[in-house]
Amino acid sequence: EPEVTQTPSHQVTQMGQEVILRCVPISNHLYFYWYRQILGQKVEFLVSFYNNEISEKSEIFDDQFSVERPDGSNFTLKIRSTKLEDSAMYFCASNGQGLNEQFFGPGTRLTVL
Amino acid sequence: AQSVTQLDSHVSVSEGTPVLLRCNYSSSYSPSLFWYVQHPNKGLQLLLKYTSAATLVKGINGFEAEFKKSETSFHLTKPSAHMSDAAEYFCVVSERSNYQLIWGAGTKLIIKP
Repeated sequence: EPEVTQTPSHQVTQMGQEVILRCVPISNHLYFYWYRQILGQKVEFLVSFYNNEISEKSEIFDDQFSVERPDGSNFTLKIRSTKLEDSAMYFCASNGQGLNEQFFGPGTRLTVL
Repeated sequence: AQSVTQLDSHVSVSEGTPVLLRCNYSSSYSPSLFWYVQHPNKGLQLLLKYTSAATLVKGINGFEAEFKKSETSFHLTKPSAHMSDAAEYFCVVSERSNYQLIWGAGTKLIIKP
């Protein structure tokens, strides 16, 4: 059964460093998303991506964040200069045309020291 | 604007007894509604979804939910709890006009032996 994959499963970084979180969505899906979940808090929408551009973003998704689909399979989230408060679980999701069920990856736990 | 309210942050039941996790939503348009489950240190798994077909929706692991438009509710139930049901449960709403998911704060389900 096709699934969304994410790498790495856990990333530890120093404050101020750049990180790139990687996702491989389900191959025929067209809509891609990033969410984050700070420990003990609710899941928050960051950004949605369709047709090679951002379609929506939340107020959390500031200039420190960017997304890219560098090839036909990967979908990345870059945090340019990490802050302590960026420590969270980051989930990637995707869905196909006309499908409003999003399929989630297992998440990447980002720890900023 | 859409929002989701999960009325209980924690629910504790004995194994073999019924489970009720409450969710109320607000949405300007015809919503799609979902329940996701997150087991400790695991990703997000779709339990069930409502997308304007039958108002009583059956999901995996014996869970079901009923969409009640007049009450703007989408409560999750299970007739008999199992120890493996211990997890966090999220009620989620999505409008038809976009695929952005709005998450409730989550309800932690505790199963007593």
